Amino acid sequence: DAGVIQSPRHEVTEMGQEVTLRCKPISGHNSLFWYRQTMMRGLELLIYFNNNVPIDDSGMPEDRFSAKMPNASFSTLKIQPSEPRDSAVYFCASSQRRNTEAFFGQGTRLTVV
Amino acid sequence: GIQVEQSPPDLILQEGANSTLRCNFSDSVNNLQWFHQNPWGQLINLFYIPSGTKQNGRLSATTVATERYSLLYISSSQTTDSGVYFCAVERKAGSYQLTFGKGTKLSVIP
Repeated sequence: DAGVIQSPRHEVTEMGQEVTLRCKPISGHNSLFWYRQTMMRGLELLIYFNNNVPIDDSGMPEDRFSAKMPNASFSTLKIQPSEPRDSAVYFCASSQRRNTEAFFGQGTRLTVV
Repeated sequence: GIQVEQSPPDLILQEGANSTLRCNFSDSVNNLQWFHQNPWGQLINLFYIPSGTKQNGRLSATTVATERYSLLYISSSQTTDSGVYFCAVERKAGSYQLTFGKGTKLSVIP
């Protein structure tokens, strides 16, 4: 398997623009996570899906953030409108189910100017 | 939520030296993973080790769940071992997310 695949790897956008990050989990994995990494706060969970259903989005910072998982092989994280403080590395991860090993994608480095 | 503390925060080693990284956690866990974040930012799985001991080449890890800590051993360190090592745990009761420690930044110098 190719592992968790994220796109784009890098994104530079202007404040106020919409940003969409994409993730393809490992085939057969039922759990999908979006994390954000910043220097100040480290790695934080944004949202967790199980069997394509959002289970907990309490980590989503604001209404400007939304995530979807229309099928088992694809998820998106959208920021609209983007702000400079959203600049971070966004990771997608998947696991077979709860309490099993999680695998991370290579991340998307987002810069909002 | 669960607290995860890693030590030391920074470590500088001469190539060939051995080291031990520690992870303490504040509650019972049913998932513990060690990751290496390389200089390109990629999070690489090292061990899935909620309990017991595992070895993979020059690396080994031990988790003593009853005492709420885990150790990562690096032997004969190489410059390619440089990066940040994260411990992440999933609390046993009512949680499904990995909570990460702040990491240990390792620099191996030639």
